[in-house]
Amino acid sequence: GESVGLHLPTLSVQEGDNSIINCAYSNSASDYFIWYKQESGKGPQFIIDIRSNMDKRQGQRVTVLLNKTVKHLSLQIAATQPGDSAVYFCAENYNNAGNMLTFGGGTRLMVKP
Amino acid sequence: DAGVTQSPTHLIKTRGQHVTLRCSPISGHKSVSWYQQVLGQGPQFIFQYYEKEERGRGNFPDRFSARQFPNYSSELNVNALLLGDSALYLCASSYRVSNEQFFGPGTRLTVL
Repeated sequence: GESVGLHLPTLSVQEGDNSIINCAYSNSASDYFIWYKQESGKGPQFIIDIRSNMDKRQGQRVTVLLNKTVKHLSLQIAATQPGDSAVYFCAENYNNAGNMLTFGGGTRLMVKP
Repeated sequence: DAGVTQSPTHLIKTRGQHVTLRCSPISGHKSVSWYQQVLGQGPQFIFQYYEKEERGRGNFPDRFSARQFPNYSSELNVNALLLGDSALYLCASSYRVSNEQFFGPGTRLTVL
C-alpha cells in the first residue's frame, strides 16, 4: 500500500545550524500532513502541521514546506539546539480516514554541541 | 492539566497469553486512537474510537480488539500473543475524529 517515507535515517548537525528533514509521500489523496518529534521513552509530540491547500507554514523556529508536485514534505528547524535531538516522523492523513495517520520510518536528529 | 495517560508503562508476557492495555484521554477529548510502534519504526495505526464506536481499523489481525467506555477511556486487548507483538503501544486522544492528536507515553510490551 501507499506509505510515507523518509530519505535519511540519521541527521547530525552542529548546534546553532539549521536542520532540514525530508519526507516523501506517495498517496496523492493525502491532504493533511504532520510532523512529530519523539524523544526517547516518550510518545510522539506534535510539532507542526500543514494542509494540502498550503505550501508553507511557519511556527516557532520550525517551518514545514509542502511540494505537492513531487509529493515532498520537509521540516526546517532554525538555530538547532541540543533539546531538538530526537527522532522526527512525518505523518499523512486524508479526510475520509478520520484520525488514521500513516507514519514514515523516522529520522534521528543528533545535535553536536 | 493531565495529558494522555497509559497503564501499565511496561509489561512482560509469554507467547499465547492475553494482554489488556489502558488509556485515559485528555479531559474533554472524545476520540481515542491506538498505534503500535515496533522498535526503529514509525507508529502503525490499529484502531480509532469516537463516542464509544469504532471509527477506523488498521491492518491488524482479529487477535487485536479494543473498546471505549462512557468516560472515553479505552482498552486495547491482544489475544494469543506472538513474539512479533513486542512493541510500544501508543494511545492518542483528540477532541473529535479529525482533530490534532495528543499521544501518551506508551506501554512497552515485551513478549517472551
